[in-house]
Formats: sequence, structure tokens, C-alpha cells
Amino acid sequence: DAGITQSPRYKITETGRQVTLMCHQTWSHSYMFWYRQDLGHGLRLIYYSAAADITDKGEVPDGYVVSRSKTENFPLTLESATRSQTSVYFCASTAGGLGETQYFGPGTRLLVL
Amino acid sequence: QQPVQSPQAVILREGEDAVINCSSSKALYSVHWYRQKHGEAPVFLMILLKGGEQKGHDKISASFNEKKQQSSLYLTASQLSYSGTYFCGTLSGGYQKVTFGTGTKLQVIP
Repeated sequence: DAGITQSPRYKITETGRQVTLMCHQTWSHSYMFWYRQDLGHGLRLIYYSAAADITDKGEVPDGYVVSRSKTENFPLTLESATRSQTSVYFCASTAGGLGETQYFGPGTRLLVL
Repeated sequence: QQPVQSPQAVILREGEDAVINCSSSKALYSVHWYRQKHGEAPVFLMILLKGGEQKGHDKISASFNEKKQQSSLYLTASQLSYSGTYFCGTLSGGYQKVTFGTGTKLQVIP
């Protein structure tokens, strides 16, 4: 029972490079989310997806792109990385419904130099 | 808008009690509570639904005041393992979009 996984777990890149963070869940959850976590801001929603091929912006979407061609995968791409995108990125999923919780992946620590 | 959590930080001695509050300006369907230890992912504690009862397991419980759009997390007889940052998340709209507060850092010392 793998649950929800993220890769890579750590990434160092340079300003201007494209970076893709992967998220994979084995529960067939409908909903998936990408958050970034920075000191003083808590968890902020970047993008979310209600199902395959259905995605929408969250609170801080600028500079990010997502896709969801398969239910189990939800990659996040930084098209041209900036230093302000240095953060810890968490992917989460939920089956949906008012009583359902979100399950978080282990996170990806991204450093943009 | 992010829910507001208070206090921002608290230090307890083992065995002491603590209350963490979460307040929203929006009408809520549910409140979610998570605990996050340093360097790890947030871990689910409990959900409180609109119209639901107070919940709890072990020595951690929570309440949800729908009229005030407030929730409180109660930690009794704290243990060292309770240390971490506690986040509340509120659901007020569709698509399961939970908005998280900025967290309450709790440290339990011997």
C-alpha cells in the first residue's frame, strides 16, 4: 500500500530552468492538490484537480503549470524557476465528500539558486 | 482567506493542557486538524463537520462552533510526542478546497 508518493524528495536547480515535481497516488482518489509551505505562511494551495483533465488555480498559481492525464498522477511544473519558488512542496489527495480528509505526500524540498 | 489560529506558539510541560483556536470569517462546512513534525508531512488528526459532534481520540479532542465559525483543539495531559505544529484547515466551498491557517507551534518539555 504505497499511498501517495512524491519525487524527487530534494531538488536543487538554477533560476530560469524548468522543473517538474511528480505526485502519484494509489488510492484512485478523485481530488489532488499541490501546496507550497513557507515559514509564516503555512500551507498555500497552488493548483488542484477534481478529476482527470479537470484542474483549476488555487491561491498562488503564478509561475506553475499542472496537468492530470491520469487519475493517479498530478505533476507540477515550474516553467522558469525563480528564487521565490524555493519552498517545500506537498501533494495531497482525497476521495471527496464532506467527511473525507486529505492525505499528504512526504514533500519535495526545492532550492532555486 | 486563511483561518486565524491562536496562539502562534505555546510551550508546555509534560502533563499540562493546551487549547488551540481556529477562527474563520466564512461559513464553514467542516474543519480539519493536522499535526506536522519538523521535516515531515502534515498528519491528519480529525475532521469536524457542520452539525456534527465534538470529536476526540486518546487525549486530543476538538469542537466546532458553527455560529461563530470557530473550532478549538484540546490537548490534555500533554506528552512529549505532542510537540509539533498544528494546522487547522477550513472547507467553505466546493471542490474539497481546504484553506489552512498559519499554524500553532507547540513544544512539550519534560
